[in-house]
Amino acid sequence: AQKITQTQPGMFVQEKEAVTLDCTYDTSDQSYGLFWYKQPSSGEMIFLIYQGSYDEQNATEGRYSLNFQKARKSANLVISASQLGDSAMYFCAMRVNFGNEKLTFGTGTRLTIIP
Amino acid sequence: DVKVTQSSRYLVKRTGEKVFLECVQDMDHENMFWYRQDPGLGLRLIYFSYDVKMKEKGDIPEGYSVSREKKERFSLILESASTNQTSMYLCASSSRVSEQYFGPGTRLTVT
Repeated sequence: AQKITQTQPGMFVQEKEAVTLDCTYDTSDQSYGLFWYKQPSSGEMIFLIYQGSYDEQNATEGRYSLNFQKARKSANLVISASQLGDSAMYFCAMRVNFGNEKLTFGTGTRLTIIP
Repeated sequence: DVKVTQSSRYLVKRTGEKVFLECVQDMDHENMFWYRQDPGLGLRLIYFSYDVKMKEKGDIPEGYSVSREKKERFSLILESASTNQTSMYLCASSSRVSEQYFGPGTRLTVT
């Protein structure tokens, strides 16, 4: 079975600072994908970034990057130059590629950006 | 843009009522999913479907059923609503190679 652990229930960060949201995962599968989603107070889930287990380079999407450390089974999200609009819940999720398209989610981190 | 819509943003039902939550996607995705989201528990998968009339149980299917008669529509059914089913319900869809796209969610309160 797969498991995602997000150990930071909440974080407060000053505007313009970089922030790292932690995510560790557990799976016995060799082929898998890791996702980060953002959920603003409006409730919709917004896809941010994806990392495949065989990708050699860390994924980046604008101000978002994924710090993938396979040996440590961690997939931390890094947001550079944080903005007030980054205040939201952030969820890490994993999909095992060999099988089906199910996602296993972590419990989330609530990020608050302070002006 | 991919669009996933859910029939209601807010819903209030009484204990014992039969409740239908509808989800429609417009991107011809094969896969559709129903999750419930509770504080401190993240998102938990209730049911998913990888084709019309096909369904599989997720992690917490008890008390729920689903229907997928058309590719674009996936319905979640609470046969007899109970107060412990008060939650946020999120629908999602995906193709075989894409990320999941989510609807805006339905906040269901059972009194």
